Amino acid sequence: KAGVTQTPRYLIKTRGQQVTLSCSPISGHRSVSWYQQTPGQGLQFLFEYFSETQRNKGNFPGRFSGRQFSNSRSEMNVSTLELGDSALYLCASSLTSPNTGELFFGEGSRLTVL
Amino acid sequence: GENVEQHPSTLSVQEGDSAVIKCTYSDSASNYFPWYKQELGKRPQLIIDIRSNVGEKKDQRIAVTLNKTAKHFSLHITETQPEDSAVYFCAASNQAGTALIFGKGTTLSVSS
Repeated sequence: KAGVTQTPRYLIKTRGQQVTLSCSPISGHRSVSWYQQTPGQGLQFLFEYFSETQRNKGNFPGRFSGRQFSNSRSEMNVSTLELGDSALYLCASSLTSPNTGELFFGEGSRLTVL
Repeated sequence: GENVEQHPSTLSVQEGDSAVIKCTYSDSASNYFPWYKQELGKRPQLIIDIRSNVGEKKDQRIAVTLNKTAKHFSLHITETQPEDSAVYFCAASNQAGTALIFGKGTTLSVSS
């Protein structure tokens, strides 16, 4: 079966712009989690969605937001981009919740903010 | 919220040696502790996990131990091989199970 798909894979933006990243989970998976990965900071939790509801949110400013659609696909948005937002954004899906089994990660969307 | 500390940040061993990575967590209600391996340029993948009702779990050359009282868990890799070189992340779930909180990672280098 198809894995987790993230689009776009690479993008370059300038400060002040906004960006939307998309994630299609594995078929049948209803939980989608988002992480920001930067060198030295590891995988920082952004938020988790299940059945179109945000169940948990990490310690990120309100500029970071997300949503999940009825088909479990998810998007995250970052508004008013800052240089420090440059990172690899990873999406991961699981059947029902992150603690019931393996998180399957996508290849990520690499964002560069100039 | 949950916080996970991971040590060391880098680890270099000779092929055939053992490697140990340690993590501590803050939320005593955490009940799920997975380990992920991320090779260079690739996505993280689960290598082993343990639940709070188990003290130790083994899978071939990999083992994980959990000490709930001390709130720490460790990854043990025996007979290391060059292909074990990667970044390893530990994680702990929050009480509700709606988030996996990761440590900052350990870069393991195995030289032949």
